[in-house]
Amino acid sequence: GQQVMQIPQYQHVQEGEDFTTYCNSSTTLSNIQWYKQRPGGHPVFLIQLVKSGEVKKQKRLTFQFGEAKKNSSLHITATQTTDVGTYFCAGGLDQGGKLIFGQGTELSVKP
Amino acid sequence: DGGITQSPKYLFRKEGQNVTLSCEQNLNHDAMYWYRQDPGQGLRLIYYSQIVNDFQKGDIAEGYSVSREKKESFPLTVTSAQKNPTAFYLCASSILAAAYNEQFFGPGTRLTVL
Repeated sequence: GQQVMQIPQYQHVQEGEDFTTYCNSSTTLSNIQWYKQRPGGHPVFLIQLVKSGEVKKQKRLTFQFGEAKKNSSLHITATQTTDVGTYFCAGGLDQGGKLIFGQGTELSVKP
Repeated sequence: DGGITQSPKYLFRKEGQNVTLSCEQNLNHDAMYWYRQDPGQGLRLIYYSQIVNDFQKGDIAEGYSVSREKKESFPLTVTSAQKNPTAFYLCASSILAAAYNEQFFGPGTRLTVL
């Protein structure tokens, strides 16, 4: 079936370093959403990208959607301890209305 | 306050017993979802419902059952046929069952089968 692969699975950084997580799909996506799950919490919606090549920013977070709408990335500039958590991408398919979640990238930040 | 509630937060059951997880939302959303989360595997869709009295199997429906008799409620039953039921279960809802709609998640239920 359709899959969305996300790498890396874990990332440990020093506070102030940058962080990037990548998602790749075997099929063209209609859209991609990003969620953040804090330790012990539940996923919370961050943003949605719909257009080919789209780039969106939220303060230190930059989200990109690939030209072919098969890949996406989330980049955090100058990480802070509040960025700790697991980041999930979720790809949408035109048919069915479902989201396919990536495996998630767990980010830890050492102060 | 609008939101999704799941109860209980932690649940322990003996092997061979069926168990039902509760999910209630007061967001007036049509679509509701059940996901299972295991370490390193992300969120996997168990069942989803686009509207009352209708639901579809997700990617890992075997050993699970659901009902959607009311718009606000979407309970999940983990049956004894589920081979590896210990996991973190998340319920979510969205305005409509379209991939463009943001999903709102409940706090989750951590089920441990002994």
